[in-house]
Amino acid sequence: DTGVSQDPRHKITKRGQNVTFRCDPISEHNRLYWYRQTLGQGPEFLTYFQNEAQLEKSRLLSDRFSAERPKGSFSTLEIQRTEQGDSAMYLCASSLDRDRINYGYTFGSGTRLTVV
Amino acid sequence: GQQVMQIPQYQHVQEGEDFTTYCNSSTTLSNIQWYKQRPGGHPVFLIQLVKSGEVKKQKRLTFQFGEAKKNSSLHITATQTTDVGTYFCAPGGYGGATNKLIFGTGTLLAVQP
Repeated sequence: DTGVSQDPRHKITKRGQNVTFRCDPISEHNRLYWYRQTLGQGPEFLTYFQNEAQLEKSRLLSDRFSAERPKGSFSTLEIQRTEQGDSAMYLCASSLDRDRINYGYTFGSGTRLTVV
Repeated sequence: GQQVMQIPQYQHVQEGEDFTTYCNSSTTLSNIQWYKQRPGGHPVFLIQLVKSGEVKKQKRLTFQFGEAKKNSSLHITATQTTDVGTYFCAPGGYGGATNKLIFGTGTLLAVQP
């Protein structure tokens, strides 16, 4: 396993367009997270899954954002009607959580979104 | 949700000097994790602290969890240029169950050779 993979690495889109990002987590990990990071800030939580169930979604996340994790494997994050404020690095992470213990997140390299 | 204050926001040291970053919470934390993010890179897990007063070492890095589990620190002895990056503390969930990590703004470390 080569770690967490994200695709694409970079995405430039026009305002108003829809974009979709993909994340392939480490196969043994049961949790998958999406974060967003802007320059000079720490990663901001968006949503997370345990297996295929989406357990939590940030209240800061507008209805334009949706995430799926069909069959508990890869995940997609879709942003509809993109706005310039959506420009950021979108990070995916996975982790193994067992018996209420988390063993640390493994992050992917991220997808850098630029909305023009 | 759990919020932490991390200080300083930025530290510039000469190579060979020591460095410490502090993470403070107003509430008791069940656990805390530390990550390092190199410039242009993604966060990389360093360590998790769970027990009150816990001290863990990784070569030149020493991590500490306060007795009251409200603060944590990362100390780097004799910094090297490879230590450059942003160090984040991130408390886990509530009551022993880790739900999601909340990252602060981090401490950016610059090391001058």
